[in-house]
Amino acid sequence: LAKTTQPISMDSYEGQEVNITCSHNNIATNDYITWYQQFPSQGPRFIIQGYKTKVTNEVASLFIPADRKSSTLSLPRVSLSDTAVYYCLVGDPVKTSYDKVIFGPGTSLSVIP
Amino acid sequence: DSGVTQTPKHLITATGQRVTLRCSPRSGDLSVYWYQQSLDQGLQFLIQYYNGEERAKGNILERFSAQQFPDLHSELNLSSLELGDSALYFCASSPRATGTGYQKLFFGSGTQLSVL
Repeated sequence: LAKTTQPISMDSYEGQEVNITCSHNNIATNDYITWYQQFPSQGPRFIIQGYKTKVTNEVASLFIPADRKSSTLSLPRVSLSDTAVYYCLVGDPVKTSYDKVIFGPGTSLSVIP
Repeated sequence: DSGVTQTPKHLITATGQRVTLRCSPRSGDLSVYWYQQSLDQGLQFLIQYYNGEERAKGNILERFSAQQFPDLHSELNLSSLELGDSALYFCASSPRATGTGYQKLFFGSGTQLSVL
């Protein structure tokens, strides 16, 4: 399974765009990239999932370059409520079961007023 | 609101005791997953059930067991509790029909277990 590496923590001011990059050098052909968000004392929440190029929804954008060895979660104009831990996961939607998918420490984003 | 319900929200007990955590998945979801989150270990996968059957197992201790009932709710039983079992326990459910593969998870708000 592809191992993921992302920064442990990031700080940002309110109103700025935040980009969190995840490295997954060993990503397999059928693997998708998924991001979850977790607020303190709450369960993680699915944000976005993608395979290649760019995916956008009402919460975030996910940029995946052609070689797919990394991905970038982009949060536009963050607010204090975006302070959370963000997890990057990689796996095959058909074959990979969750006992093989590791959440890891994630990236702790702190938004500063 | 994810639609996944976990009870109780908080549980305080003593070492050596046994507790049961309950989870009701989203309506229509057949798979239930249990996770443990502690400060030093992060989010750890424990076990998955699909339509009443165990489907995947993580690093779940022998003192822990789970089951999924015909109405699809699930219970996680923790026995002979130790101080180190203090953690947040999350339940999640997913909508995919087959119960296999890497699926979008909907997490509950968790049960905070404190073992004193």
